[in-house]
Amino acid sequence: GAGVSQSPRYKVAKRGQDVALRCDPISGHVSLFWYQQALGQGPEFLTYFQNEAQLDKSGLPSDRFFAERPEGSVSTLKIQRTQQEDSAVYLCASSRLTGTGGLVHEQYFGPGTRLTVT
Amino acid sequence: QQQVKQSPQSLIVQKGGIPIINCAYENTAFDYFPWYQQFPGKGPALLIAIRPDVSEKKEGRFTISFNKSAKQFSLHIMDSQPGDSATYFCAASLNTGNQFYFGTGTSLTVIP
Repeated sequence: GAGVSQSPRYKVAKRGQDVALRCDPISGHVSLFWYQQALGQGPEFLTYFQNEAQLDKSGLPSDRFFAERPEGSVSTLKIQRTQQEDSAVYLCASSRLTGTGGLVHEQYFGPGTRLTVT
Repeated sequence: QQQVKQSPQSLIVQKGGIPIINCAYENTAFDYFPWYQQFPGKGPALLIAIRPDVSEKKEGRFTISFNKSAKQFSLHIMDSQPGDSATYFCAASLNTGNQFYFGTGTSLTVIP
């Protein structure tokens, strides 16, 4: 596809339910990022993949959050036992490659998934 | 701790005006500074980015001014239009580029 796509666009979950959010990066993009954006705030980093390897998960807020990218393309962010404080927009971004020769590549963002936990 | 501080929180200008959004950072290891534009219901879209070896960069109506010694950078929008009404985020990254640190955003309204 032409850009990063995410599904579903909206998700309502009851507290305690598990959710899975999907990200399809731009074809050929090696790096994939997940961010959490609370209402009225900037995106905050959650985790980063280079191909299928999860190289940084320092931003995941708790062990209820889990991300995977098994084949180095599509990624899934899973949140177990959702809580109200998990309500946010979850953004996925991809880039060609990061950290090569000190060159940062542009990150292209998807439209996000708005998660509401009731 | 907010790695990048952004101001103002909101801004209203008349069409044709030049809104200026400011950001400041502490980590001198940052070496990539992008600005993103976000419309409601959409993901952030890259507008323009700068590296600390230059003091200014222009792309169309958008200009970044960068002051390395003050650890500050700003976005100027020339001849602003109602279509520029959106939320703008500054960000910073280390040269490994593993994560971007975003500011808290500025909601810009351009009045016709």
